[in-house]
Amino acid sequence: AQKVTQAQTEISVVEKEDVTLDCVYETRDTTYYLFWYKQPPSGELVFLIRRNSFDEQNEISGRYSWNFQKSTSSFNFTITASQVVDSAVYFCALRPNTGNQFYFGTGTSLTVIP
Amino acid sequence: DAGVTQSPTHLIKTRGQQVTLRCSPKSGHDTVSWYQQALGQGPQFIFQYYEEEERQRGNFPDRFSGHQFPNYSSELNVNALLLGDSALYLCASSSPGAGGSYNEQFFGPGTRLTVL
Repeated sequence: AQKVTQAQTEISVVEKEDVTLDCVYETRDTTYYLFWYKQPPSGELVFLIRRNSFDEQNEISGRYSWNFQKSTSSFNFTITASQVVDSAVYFCALRPNTGNQFYFGTGTSLTVIP
Repeated sequence: DAGVTQSPTHLIKTRGQQVTLRCSPKSGHDTVSWYQQALGQGPQFIFQYYEEEERQRGNFPDRFSGHQFPNYSSELNVNALLLGDSALYLCASSSPGAGGSYNEQFFGPGTRLTVL
């Protein structure tokens, strides 16, 4: 079965705090792709990052960083020094190598309080 | 470079009616996927079109059908609308990556469908 779990439904932080969004996935495929998307109130999903299953190197992009751990089937997303503009719903997604379907989690709603 | 565009932005229909939603993919993309996103939920895969054919389908009834045109644009049709079809319908485009890998999907702004 293919599944993505985002256990945190809502998170609120004060501006400049760091915040980590959790993502746990399930797949039987040995090759797969993981993604994070941001959905602001406007509704459009904005691509943030893709990670291949054979590349466990963590990545940092500005205030964003991602921690991929195959041993725990997790792909967590950290925002450092959060800003009000980071307020949005964040989705983690899985694309197994078999098939073309993306499986999304239920999302984590992040509110950054000024 | 235009991104993924969808029309209309909003739509209100009544139960039993039929609706057609439209999507134009990002320039250079040849694959279009459709998703249904209910309020407070993640997007659910409806189907994907490539080379004018449905390549894969999610767990949606036959009331949901689609089409892809030679210019890669796509339509989503929903017949016999139910109240439960009220949702944000998202279109995403992508292109196959090099070496058999797959690239990220780029999403449009969505069409908000309300069924009364």
